[in-house]
Amino acid sequence: GDSVTQMEGPVTLSEEAFLTINCTYTATGYPSLFWYVQYPGEGLQLLLKATKADDKGSNKGFEATYRKETTSFHLEKGSVQVSDSAVYFCALKGDDKIIFGKGTRLHILP
Amino acid sequence: GAGVSQSPSNKVTEKGKDVELRCDPISGHTALYWYRQSLGQGLEFLIYFQGNSAPDKSGLPSDRFSAERTGGSVSTLTIQRTQQEDSAVYLCASSQDRGGTIYFGEGSWLTVV
Repeated sequence: GDSVTQMEGPVTLSEEAFLTINCTYTATGYPSLFWYVQYPGEGLQLLLKATKADDKGSNKGFEATYRKETTSFHLEKGSVQVSDSAVYFCALKGDDKIIFGKGTRLHILP
Repeated sequence: GAGVSQSPSNKVTEKGKDVELRCDPISGHTALYWYRQSLGQGLEFLIYFQGNSAPDKSGLPSDRFSAERTGGSVSTLTIQRTQQEDSAVYLCASSQDRGGTIYFGEGSWLTVV
């Protein structure tokens, strides 16, 4: 069945560092891909999405490119801030339910 | 409504009791999902409703869990004879249709003591 694998955390970085959180997927067909973020004490929020190969999703300085050839959707940000500290979930959606990765906790140190 | 609304936001119940969790999706959204997030774990799919189709119940962990969706809108997740391992955040989400972006509610925190 469909699945999502993302790098395990926690990931700890200093402010202004470059961030990459790896995500790879297995799916039949052509799923849509998502990154969701869960800030401390808050609900799950959509961060960005891409619906077809080579699409780039972007929001709040974060980017991810849908790579069909490598079945990947890695999340990147050029300069992280303390306020980016959260748990990040990679996800895919085929025809129906959305499948999530286990989440990666990110800590940004001032 | 403006977003997905869930109630109660917090529920503490004794082991063996039944609980009901409610979800009110975004108006007009035909797809509704329930997920469970245990402490330190990812999101576990429970059940999916799409319009008038038969729900996808493949994620329900046992026959103590059931869900219904009345009138194509509000959904209730019922857990019978709760166990301590049922303690988790139960998240509801909805989308406009099969392929639309999924929006989550704040979740219902369930603690079984």
